[in-house]
Amino acid sequence: AQRVTQPEKLLSVFKGAPVELKCNYSYSGSPELFWYVQYSRQRLQLLLRHISRESIKGFTADLNKGETSFHLKKPFAQEEDSAMYYCALRASNTGNQFYFGTGTSLTVIP
Amino acid sequence: ETGVTQSPTHLIKTRGQQVTLRCSSQSGHNTVSWYQQALGQGPQFIFQYYREEENGRGNFPPRFSGLQFPNYSSELNVNALELDDSALYLCASSPGGLGETQYFGPGTRLLVL
Repeated sequence: AQRVTQPEKLLSVFKGAPVELKCNYSYSGSPELFWYVQYSRQRLQLLLRHISRESIKGFTADLNKGETSFHLKKPFAQEEDSAMYYCALRASNTGNQFYFGTGTSLTVIP
Repeated sequence: ETGVTQSPTHLIKTRGQQVTLRCSSQSGHNTVSWYQQALGQGPQFIFQYYREEENGRGNFPPRFSGLQFPNYSSELNVNALELDDSALYLCASSPGGLGETQYFGPGTRLLVL
């Protein structure tokens, strides 16, 4: 069955420190993976998607099919990165259904 | 700003009642998806509409139904409300079909007593 797991509910790092938000998935087909972010009092928005292979706001994420992971990384955290982050998978073999993880709340300490 | 709006922002209903939630997508967005987000959880996919037809559905019972209209608005209808239906309901629209970025609305918070 399709599943997205974000093992950390809460994550705190100091400003300037590296940050990694973990995401693991379970999917039998070829996955399409996304990271969404929700800043305080704002709506959910797309941060990045694996097929774009781009860096957004200094964040990158690499799809590792062997480890079924799509961890989000940033070398130097900033205070404005504090937000809720959701990893999501789109399953083309089940009607393009999106599966979201439970989210990780990131706090960057000044 | 993405331009996706939802109404109402908050709603209180009692068990057994019916509710209709509304979403207005950006002009030109042919795809709309609806999600349920319970407290402390990630969004759960309810269904997706493309050009007024349902083309994807999550693990929700038939009492959850939807409509999409030619003017880029859509509705989520829930019949026979249960206490567990209390959640934030999100709609998200995208310009086309597969592979398009979703733009989320602010959500409607439903409380079922």
